[in-house]
Amino acid sequence: RKEVEQDPGPFNVPEGATVAFNCTYSNSASQSFFWYRQDCRKEPKLLMSVYSSGNEDGRFTAQLNRASQYISLLIRDSKLSDSATYLCAVWRAGSYQLTFGKGTKLSVIP
Amino acid sequence: EPEVTQTPSHQVTQMGQEVILRCVPISNHLYFYWYRQILGQKVEFLVSFYNNEISEKSEIFDDQFSVERPDGSNFTLKIRSTKLEDSAMYFCASSENRQETQYFGPGTRLLVL
Repeated sequence: RKEVEQDPGPFNVPEGATVAFNCTYSNSASQSFFWYRQDCRKEPKLLMSVYSSGNEDGRFTAQLNRASQYISLLIRDSKLSDSATYLCAVWRAGSYQLTFGKGTKLSVIP
Repeated sequence: EPEVTQTPSHQVTQMGQEVILRCVPISNHLYFYWYRQILGQKVEFLVSFYNNEISEKSEIFDDQFSVERPDGSNFTLKIRSTKLEDSAMYFCASSENRQETQYFGPGTRLLVL
């Protein structure tokens, strides 16, 4: 089983739609969780960290379910500018590295 | 807003040549990283560097690779003898603490011919 798995998509949604992405991780020692956004041929940019209690930043909501070992990202009222690949990243205790999923591609259509 | 910078943005080299990729991490950060992303694939960890030494490396980071912090601001990745399969985007990242968010530079696109 891969350490971090994401549905690759693509997700094609109309403007204004709500879209949700899931990410599962296999290592129960994972402690910190992040969603990054990556535009084509650009660097990953932090979208938000994911906290146990869940957190919200404007139109974006992240949730963590430790028991089931998955994290989610909800985007409300999608904008054209949200079109990108969304990367799930996990940091494991005792390690220095972030482990990334392959990403989920989102296309928001006018 | 402070950011990680990388040079060059693009590098084309012949197989077997040495390349040095350069990064300037965010100034108050103590942990530095190199990742690579082969086209169409996921971002993969190469190496982390803390307190002037390698703290962790992946199986990708073999004897062909080395890292150095030659002065107080630069952090470099050297590939001694490039192979075709080293063609990828190389990202430098830095973080304030081990568990904190890692911030990525814009990357160097390396093409080995």
